Amino acid sequence: DAMVIQNPRYQVTQFGKPVTLSCSQTLNHNVMYWYQQKSSQAPKLLFHYYDKDFNNEADTPDNFQSRRPNTSFCFLDIRSPGLGDAAMYLCATSIGLAGEDEQFFGPGTRLTVL
Amino acid sequence: KQEVTQIPAALSVPEGENLVLNCSFTDSAIYNLQWFRQDPGKGLTSLLLIQSSQREQTSGRLNASLDKSSGRSTLYIAASQPGDSATYLCAVDPGTYKYIFGTGTRLKVLA
Repeated sequence: DAMVIQNPRYQVTQFGKPVTLSCSQTLNHNVMYWYQQKSSQAPKLLFHYYDKDFNNEADTPDNFQSRRPNTSFCFLDIRSPGLGDAAMYLCATSIGLAGEDEQFFGPGTRLTVL
Repeated sequence: KQEVTQIPAALSVPEGENLVLNCSFTDSAIYNLQWFRQDPGKGLTSLLLIQSSQREQTSGRLNASLDKSSGRSTLYIAASQPGDSATYLCAVDPGTYKYIFGTGTRLKVLA
């Protein structure tokens, strides 16, 4: 049973052409996260939502935006992708209970920028 | 600022060996620590979650321990198999719902 679903699995876009990545969850978790992971590096948190409250990391470029229209869905918008934005984008969820919070990840979307 | 380090960065072992992966963190004020497995080109799979009040957790051939005071966690894999080959990541939760990840240990188990 899929719990955190990401679409598409692979996305190719052109330099500067906006792209949207999608994440959905069947866990009814309060928190949803977006991470960027480049080759052989640790996942880097871009932002997270606790319910509808948006929390942006200080070093996340303005080029990255996010929307969470409801509990189940969260979107990552890259307004003008550059070559440096090519990476794996990981969505994760957690229940949001301090001390008991376990993260569950989706399969990721591999973004290629031409 | 919390920093998470994993040593070694890569490890190759013959099949059947018991092995230990290490994770160190600089700030002992954590709520929990989670170990993940990542296969090439895939997302992260949760292996074990250790809450700050716990000392260890076990799942099958995996055992994870936590020593908050010394800022260390270990992941013990018993009787390793080629299917265990993957990158293993640890991450700490400082209580802000923002996990901080280590860069991982890339494990290869040779048949």
